[in-house]
Amino acid sequence: NAGVMQNPRHLVRRRGQEARLRCSPMKGHSHVYWYRQLPEEGLKFMVYLQKENIIDESGMPKERFSAEFPKEGPSILRIQQVVRGDSAAYFCASSHGRQATNEKLFFGSGTQLSVL
Amino acid sequence: KQEVTQIPAALSVPEGENLVLNCSFTDSAIYNLQWFRQDPGKGLTSLLLIQSSQREQTSGRLNASLDKSSGRSTLYIAASQPGDSATYLCAVRPTQGGSEKLVFGKGTKLTVNP
Repeated sequence: NAGVMQNPRHLVRRRGQEARLRCSPMKGHSHVYWYRQLPEEGLKFMVYLQKENIIDESGMPKERFSAEFPKEGPSILRIQQVVRGDSAAYFCASSHGRQATNEKLFFGSGTQLSVL
Repeated sequence: KQEVTQIPAALSVPEGENLVLNCSFTDSAIYNLQWFRQDPGKGLTSLLLIQSSQREQTSGRLNASLDKSSGRSTLYIAASQPGDSATYLCAVRPTQGGSEKLVFGKGTKLTVNP
């Protein structure tokens, strides 16, 4: 049973380009979470999605950032017109269902985004 | 607003030593607290999860305690090994906010020297 798969592992973009980060949850998991880890900072929640629905996007910047989790295929975190401040590690996590009080999250290895 | 603090930020110990990592949180209204391990270039691995009604959890050489009323948790690592070198993250799941987001500390970077 493969874990949470994220790709690419490393992504380099120039300012103004678009970045697309992909996350395939663990088999049987239908809930996906995106977190961002800025240098020297803790992980910060960005968005929580179920299949075809955004449940909570309170941690995601209102502009340039969007996320989706289609019925088929991976979850996508999209950053338009990237700026240097977007450089960070982006982690995806998944869970089987709505995170019960004793349910663990399973994290992917992350995508390191570098904006030149 | 829930905030999680981890002390120390970095710790270096000789192999075999017992050690304690500290985590504090400002709001005791939590569902649970988790300790994670993060290795460079890799994702997070969940080590222990303590529900708000529990006082501690143990797994092998690891023991995590939770004092919800005082907003504190400790991760005890017995007989440390070089393979324990990693960054250890503490995260709480608040009951407020109506969502499943976790609030993380910045981590403690542990180095165990052979």
